[in-house]
Amino acid sequence: SAVISQKPSRDICQRGTSLTIQCQVDSQVTMMFWYRQQPGQSLTLIATANQGSEATYESGFVIDKFPISRPNLTFSTLTVSNMSPEDSSIYLCSGEWGGGDNEQFFGPGTRLTVL
Amino acid sequence: RKEVEQDPGPFNVPEGATVAFNCTYSNSASQSFFWYRQDCRKEPKLLMSVYSSGNEDGRFTAQLNRASQYISLLIRDSKLSDSATYLCAVNTNAGKSTFGDGTTLTVKP
Repeated sequence: SAVISQKPSRDICQRGTSLTIQCQVDSQVTMMFWYRQQPGQSLTLIATANQGSEATYESGFVIDKFPISRPNLTFSTLTVSNMSPEDSSIYLCSGEWGGGDNEQFFGPGTRLTVL
Repeated sequence: RKEVEQDPGPFNVPEGATVAFNCTYSNSASQSFFWYRQDCRKEPKLLMSVYSSGNEDGRFTAQLNRASQYISLLIRDSKLSDSATYLCAVNTNAGKSTFGDGTTLTVKP
């Protein structure tokens, strides 16, 4: 396994603003993902962060709302744009090393509250 | 129908009990299977991968039934510290996992 960190760990934001969440892995990973988890619910995959190219978004998520960057194999950012209270959630990044069982390891999450 | 479905729970069991969770998946091309544990207000952590031959790690046993498309997790001699939400995950495409909604376990003294 490896250590995955996220910044910020939590934030309270005003409606209409944007927040960028950073995800740093302490070793190179093949795949990186961004998830959203509402309290008491399971993980919803937002997108796969592709190194050096546009992210691959899941149904219901679009680049204009959730732009993602992945400039290298250890770092990615997720921006939550033009936030509304419905965006209040926990946002988690994960990494997968590939070449084996495809298990994922998660960052500690960013708890976002939009007022 | 969801791609991955779990027992809805919650499961409330006394210490020392044996408890089993099941998880069914719809995509027969699924290749990798996992159980994760998630504590309250924490991120999911990999508990164990699930292999075709079944695998055991201490008090935890995971099994895969490809014919019936389900995986299971058995916890023996439950401890208070086992209280958590258990998520199954199925990997159907290269690298992308689909998670179940989770089953909450509470072990009581």
